[in-house]
Amino acid sequence: SQTIHQWPATLVQPVGSPLSLECTVEGTSNPNLYWYRQAAGRGLQLLFYSVGIGQISSEVPQNLSASRPQDRQFILSSKKLLLSDSGFYLCAWGRAGGPSSYFGPGTRLTVT
Amino acid sequence: AQKITQTQPGMFVQEKEAVTLDCTYDTSDQSYGLFWYKQPSSGEMIFLIYQGSYDEQNATEGRYSLNFQKARKSANLVISASQLGDSAMYFCAMREGRRINFGNEKLTFGTGTRLTIIP
Repeated sequence: SQTIHQWPATLVQPVGSPLSLECTVEGTSNPNLYWYRQAAGRGLQLLFYSVGIGQISSEVPQNLSASRPQDRQFILSSKKLLLSDSGFYLCAWGRAGGPSSYFGPGTRLTVT
Repeated sequence: AQKITQTQPGMFVQEKEAVTLDCTYDTSDQSYGLFWYKQPSSGEMIFLIYQGSYDEQNATEGRYSLNFQKARKSANLVISASQLGDSAMYFCAMREGRRINFGNEKLTFGTGTRLTIIP
């Protein structure tokens, strides 16, 4: 069965510091991968998606970036965090033509 | 314009009663998919049910069913015989375009409904 991991689970970072969140998927190959952000009390907003290694599409302009160095690894990064980057970050995977997107456990980021 | 609208920010329902969570959507695509997710306090998003725009029958998964009314652009979630463990946030989401196209499984989410089951 497929499993999706995210770490860290929680993170508190000062404004201006860098960020690296990691997502890995097990039990499948060539998945579509997605980063979503959920602000407090809000729905999810798609940030990035990737259909393959090195292929990244950005949905929302911001100071975040994403990379996919391996087939089942998806990384969300920032060089300098802003207060507005606080939120709950969820990674998801899906297979084109397959069932719905499945989400990881999430990372709760607080920028102070 | 909002693509997914959930008009009920919160609902309180007695245990064992059925509950309907409303969702309306807006799209000009002929092919699309509608999803419901449950988010408990732990934060993880749990996939509940899916309805394709060309599916003729309403989707069902155990106690969950999706009341799909295409002409009205609504996709309400019905939970039968509610349980205390059903207390959570519920999100309706939509994927526009055909499912088999790479990269188009991007989901647009509503703002959610917080469901509380009362014992």
